[in-house]
Amino acid sequence: EAGVAQSPRYKIIEKRQSVAFWCNPISGHATLYWYQQILGQGPKLLIQFQNNGVVDDSQLPKDRFSAERLKGVDSTLKIQPAKLEDSAVYLCASSRETNGEQFFGPGTRLTVL
Amino acid sequence: RKEVEQDPGPFNVPEGATVAFNCTYSNSASQSFFWYRQDCRKEPKLLMSVYSSGNEDGRFTAQLNRASQYISLLIRDSKLSDSATYLCVVKGSNDYKLSFGAGTTVTVRA
Repeated sequence: EAGVAQSPRYKIIEKRQSVAFWCNPISGHATLYWYQQILGQGPKLLIQFQNNGVVDDSQLPKDRFSAERLKGVDSTLKIQPAKLEDSAVYLCASSRETNGEQFFGPGTRLTVL
Repeated sequence: RKEVEQDPGPFNVPEGATVAFNCTYSNSASQSFFWYRQDCRKEPKLLMSVYSSGNEDGRFTAQLNRASQYISLLIRDSKLSDSATYLCVVKGSNDYKLSFGAGTTVTVRA
């Protein structure tokens, strides 16, 4: 079974630029999560989708971050405009159902200069 | 107060040694508890769930103390391949959201 796919793996941008990350969950997994992991910290949930609907986006900085999962499969996370403090690894995870084991993708390492 | 707090370490131990560390959680209503392992520059992976009665998986033993709100992980007969960051994870009772600690780094030396 293929794991969670993410791209790009690395991205370097300057502050105030825009960036987008893509995630393809494990086939058949209805629930998709985006996490932000800042160096030295644990992952922090940004947004959770159940199929194509948002379940929880309470920790998503909505003034600059947006995410969508239009067809209930893959998802994109966008940051516009980026700030220095957005430098982190953005992890996508998926689970078969809301309360199921989460499987993480390899992450996208973002550096904002 | 953070939801999940861990001793960051690092714990530097020789091969074959036993190493143990704890984490504490703030929400007494938390229902489920896990240890994840994260290798350097890799994604987190589930190591084991933590049950109220305590549980073992090979050389790994996890304990839960609900009264004191802490979880422990013990690694026996450490291997070089056990070198990693161990993330303590707590799941809420209502929203099933995972809250991660910052991790405890273990380095096993030859």
